[in-house]
Amino acid sequence: GAVVSQHPSRVICKSGTSVKIECRSLDFQATTMFWYRQFPKKSLMLMATSNEGSKATYEQGVEKDKFLINHASLTLSTLTVTSAHPEDSSFYICSASRGYSNQPQHFGDGTRLSIL
Amino acid sequence: GQQLNQSPQSMFIQEGEDVSMNCTSSSIFNTWLWYKQDPGEGPVLLIALYKAGELTSNGRLTAQFGITRKDSFLNISASIPSDVGIYFCAGVPGGNEKLTFGTGTRLTIIP
Repeated sequence: GAVVSQHPSRVICKSGTSVKIECRSLDFQATTMFWYRQFPKKSLMLMATSNEGSKATYEQGVEKDKFLINHASLTLSTLTVTSAHPEDSSFYICSASRGYSNQPQHFGDGTRLSIL
Repeated sequence: GQQLNQSPQSMFIQEGEDVSMNCTSSSIFNTWLWYKQDPGEGPVLLIALYKAGELTSNGRLTAQFGITRKDSFLNISASIPSDVGIYFCAGVPGGNEKLTFGTGTRLTIIP
């Protein structure tokens, strides 16, 4: 099946640090990648949709200057949490899609971000 | 954002029992997906449904795309310990690829 790799799996850092999370599709070209945030015991909430070579589309309430997304190639998207604070601590998950309506999203293993 | 209504919220069953969970929406979806998430990991796709009325199996799992396109169910037969986890339904409304997730069903197997 499709493989999506997310790195790092866990980050612990001080408040004010910027953190970059990478999402790679290993065996297919991902026209579209998605970034989600998940709070404990909750469902996944979409943060933004990232299309290769264009600006990301952010969901309502998501600060684009706080969560910078870059999708420079068909196999890599990055999410940078800028000047992270404790309230940014969460589980961040990416997914990738081939971009066709009948192609499901495949998810990475997530990144646990803890800001001290 | 919108979430799909998924029930039950949690299930406590004995090994070997069958499991049934469902997902409902007030709006129509063109695709229904079922994912399983283990603690600390991302969701893994179990079954994808693309056509109203479609019934699809994946081993002991069977899922159906409701005729009205507003619901879907997932059945697991003869549960085993590795079935433990959180199951999410997700719908794609059509016209775009954004997923709307269900609230999740947490499955626990009682020894």
